Amino acid sequence: QQQVKQSPQSLIVQKGGISIINCAYENTAFDYFPWYQQFPGKGPALLIAIRPDVSEKKEGRFTISFNKSAKQFSLHIMDSQPGDSATYFCAASKETSGSRLTFGEGTQLTVNP
Amino acid sequence: DTAVSQTPKYLVTQMGNDKSIKCEQNLGHDTMYWYKQDSKKFLKIMFSYNNKELIINETVPNRFSPKSPDKAHLNLHINSLELGDSAVYFCASSPRQDYYEQYFGPGTRLTVT
Repeated sequence: QQQVKQSPQSLIVQKGGISIINCAYENTAFDYFPWYQQFPGKGPALLIAIRPDVSEKKEGRFTISFNKSAKQFSLHIMDSQPGDSATYFCAASKETSGSRLTFGEGTQLTVNP
Repeated sequence: DTAVSQTPKYLVTQMGNDKSIKCEQNLGHDTMYWYKQDSKKFLKIMFSYNNKELIINETVPNRFSPKSPDKAHLNLHINSLELGDSAVYFCASSPRQDYYEQYFGPGTRLTVT
């Protein structure tokens, strides 16, 4: 059972455009929603994270939007750059499970120059 | 200084062999993890140790056996390797088991022929 569903599987954006990746979750007990960025040949690295008590969190060009009632959250990358080309994973965790992360399937983002 | 390191980076072996992957973190973290990333890049947790104690043991074949000699090291031993074990294995760590951010190593690409 896939508890966190991510879309699209792949995304191609022109330089300067907005990249949007969406995730939906099923378990209402989840209380932490991070996004990880993975470059080829590297391990994933935390990009930005949000808790369900806020609807939006922004760090530089990266913004998480969170909709608790719809059980959805999304990553927006403004002014996308070729250096943003990577695989992005959403994830979810709940306090009672410690730091166990349930990952989405990943989105391969390509930003064309 | 490498925060989370894994050896080897690449491992090619034949079916039926036994192999080990080693992980070390110099962050002073209490909690360490093993993840498997399959050919579709899906990340799934396998095991987690907190201060050398096993706290997460997902549905993984008994052929996989983690060992934590101390809290800075977490090794993964795999017996009787099968073709389906081919994947990238990531080690990760976090400061403590209820701390959500995880720091990933560079991965070990295991190919079973």
